[in-house]
Amino acid sequence: GAGVSQTPSNKVTEKGKYVELRCDPISGHTALYWYRQSLGQGPEFLIYFQGTGAADDSGLPNDRFFAVRPEGSVSTLKIQRTERGDSAVYLCASSPSSGYTDTQYFGPGTRLTVL
Amino acid sequence: GENVEQHPSTLSVQEGDSAVIKCTYSDSASNYFPWYKQELGKRPQLIIDIRSNVGEKKDQRIAVTLNKTAKHFSLHITETQPEDSAVYFCAASKNNQGGKLIFGQGTELSVKP
Repeated sequence: GAGVSQTPSNKVTEKGKYVELRCDPISGHTALYWYRQSLGQGPEFLIYFQGTGAADDSGLPNDRFFAVRPEGSVSTLKIQRTERGDSAVYLCASSPSSGYTDTQYFGPGTRLTVL
Repeated sequence: GENVEQHPSTLSVQEGDSAVIKCTYSDSASNYFPWYKQELGKRPQLIIDIRSNVGEKKDQRIAVTLNKTAKHFSLHITETQPEDSAVYFCAASKNNQGGKLIFGQGTELSVKP
C-alpha cells in the first residue's frame, strides 16, 4: 500500500514568512510523529499525535511551531515568523498505534530552506 | 531527558568485513532500541530492533546486542556489501512516552568494493 507522503518535498521561504508542511500517514495508522533533521544529525523529536490530540509536544522548540491533526489522519506542521535556524528536513512518521515498540514508518521529508 | 550518543560518526570497511556501531543511552528506564538505515536522499527505514528483556537479536547479516547494566547497545553487520553503505541511526524509547524516539547522531558507513 501507499507509504507516508509529505508535501511539499522542498520549500524555500524568506525569513519572517509563514509556512505549512503537510503529512499524509499510512491509512489506519493512529499515531503520527514529527521530527526535524539538521544536516549530519539524527532526527530530533518535535511532537506526536495519538488520533486527533497532541499526546506529547515537548519537542517543539518555541511557540512559533504548531501542529494539528483535526481528523486524526492528515497533519500539518505550521511555522510562524520563520528564522534561518529553522532550515532543516522535516520528517513525518506514522505507526499503527503509539505503543512504544510500534514500528514508525517515515515519509520522504520536506526540506525547508529559510533565506 | 534521554540522551543517546553514537560512535563512530564515520566508518569505512572493505567489502566482506564486519562493521560495528555503538550507542550509549542515559535513561535507565529506556526499554526499546530500534536501528534505522537512511540511504542518501531517502527516508529512514527500520532494519532491526531490540527490547530490554532480550540481550541479543539477529536477522541474517545484522545483529543487535544490548547491555542494560552498562546502558549501551550495538549494531553488528557481517559480510558487508556495497549496498550496506548508508547512514545508520540508533534510537531509544520507553513505554511511558508512547513512541517518542530519541536518536543518536548517526554513523556514515562506507563499504568499499
